Amino acid sequence: DVKVTQSSRYLVKRTGEKVFLECVQDMDHENMFWYRQDPGLGLRLIYFSYDVKMKEKGDIPEGYSVSREKKERFSLILESASTNQTSMYLCASSLSKWGQFSNQPQHFGDGTRLSIL
Amino acid sequence: GENVEQHPSTLSVQEGDSAVIKCTYSDSASNYFPWYKQELGKRPQLIIDIRSNVGEKKDQRIAVTLNKTAKHFSLHITETQPEDSAVYFCAASPLYFGNEKLTFGTGTRLTIIP
Repeated sequence: DVKVTQSSRYLVKRTGEKVFLECVQDMDHENMFWYRQDPGLGLRLIYFSYDVKMKEKGDIPEGYSVSREKKERFSLILESASTNQTSMYLCASSLSKWGQFSNQPQHFGDGTRLSIL
Repeated sequence: GENVEQHPSTLSVQEGDSAVIKCTYSDSASNYFPWYKQELGKRPQLIIDIRSNVGEKKDQRIAVTLNKTAKHFSLHITETQPEDSAVYFCAASPLYFGNEKLTFGTGTRLTIIP
């Protein structure tokens, strides 16, 4: 069974701090994703990565950066945390297969509820 | 980019009745449509998915239908049970160079009334 592990379940930080959220998957998946989840807005993609050291912006990348130095680990970085970044952050991974109908399911972690004070 | 709209935002159904959640998408290149269920305090979990070469797919009490011409897809849950209470998200993904980026709907909170 796929396991996606996020380092913290709850996190409280102060405005202006640099915040690191870590995600590790154990299934050798190529693709990894960071979403934020807010009531009434669903899941919005922040960044994703389809290979080590590769990254692409999602729909709401402003104020965030990412790092993928190893295949199994994908980090989300809040360079200077602000109160509007208080949210639930979800990491996901999926296998990459090439071909016309190659989309593979995304598997999610339990989420990190981040509060910025 | 892709835009996915989901309706209704809340749905209450008597236990044993059916529930239907509808989504529309904008990008005609989308070819993969998963549905996720998220119980309170838990991670989203895939419950069923459909690809654009198929019009309907069933898995026990759950079915999904896809109308590519109209760009909409729906989740049908029959004989609802209390454990079906959760938030359901639809999503759509176009296939570009093997990278699957999902765009999610805003979610439907389904409540099953005993």
